[in-house]
Amino acid sequence: DGGITQSPKYLFRKEGQNVTLSCEQNLNHDAMYWYRQDPGQGLRLIYYSQIVNDFQKGDIAEGYSVSREKKESFPLTVTSAQKNPTAFYLCASTPQNSFTDTQYFGPGTRLTVL
Amino acid sequence: AQSVTQLDSHVSVSEGTPVLLRCNYSSSYSPSLFWYVQHPNKGLQLLLKYTSAATLVKGINGFEAEFKKSETSFHLTKPSAHMSDAAEYFCVVSAGGATNKLIFGTGTLLAVQP
Repeated sequence: DGGITQSPKYLFRKEGQNVTLSCEQNLNHDAMYWYRQDPGQGLRLIYYSQIVNDFQKGDIAEGYSVSREKKESFPLTVTSAQKNPTAFYLCASTPQNSFTDTQYFGPGTRLTVL
Repeated sequence: AQSVTQLDSHVSVSEGTPVLLRCNYSSSYSPSLFWYVQHPNKGLQLLLKYTSAATLVKGINGFEAEFKKSETSFHLTKPSAHMSDAAEYFCVVSAGGATNKLIFGTGTLLAVQP
């Protein structure tokens, strides 16, 4: 089955720790995206990548970092510099380098800072 | 700047009755518009999208939306609600410009009563 997988489903972190969220796709999509979702708010774009070894900041990139070493993988690191990291994180991909393509979403990772 | 407003944060309907979820947008050009659905603790799934073709757009699961430029609206409707329609619905507009990023509304939580 083709799709996007995110792991872990739930993640708990102590303050001051970095954590890495995994996102893998086997859809052969060119572009990948990371969004953050908070209660009562729409999704906000953290980072996106249109091609391997290249990525751009989204609207709320501070305190986050990414890499795109392989087409199918786009991990997100939440660093200790992110002041309010507790949120639901969603990874998505599109077949081509266009936001207006249908975005295919993973099931999400819920991060809680203790 | 482009923006999107979902007029109701919560909507409750009875099974078998019509569904109306309201969305207004602001755009200085002809945007692409989308409706995505999110079931609890899941990723988002595309319901339908408008990209300047027919103004009445049909989507999956019996949903449709009508693009009304004069009213700057893109309301989502379904003739008869089903229990499985209970979810959160997001209206989304493309931002335009070089990247054409997506701008998400704050969501409408649809409850379906038996």
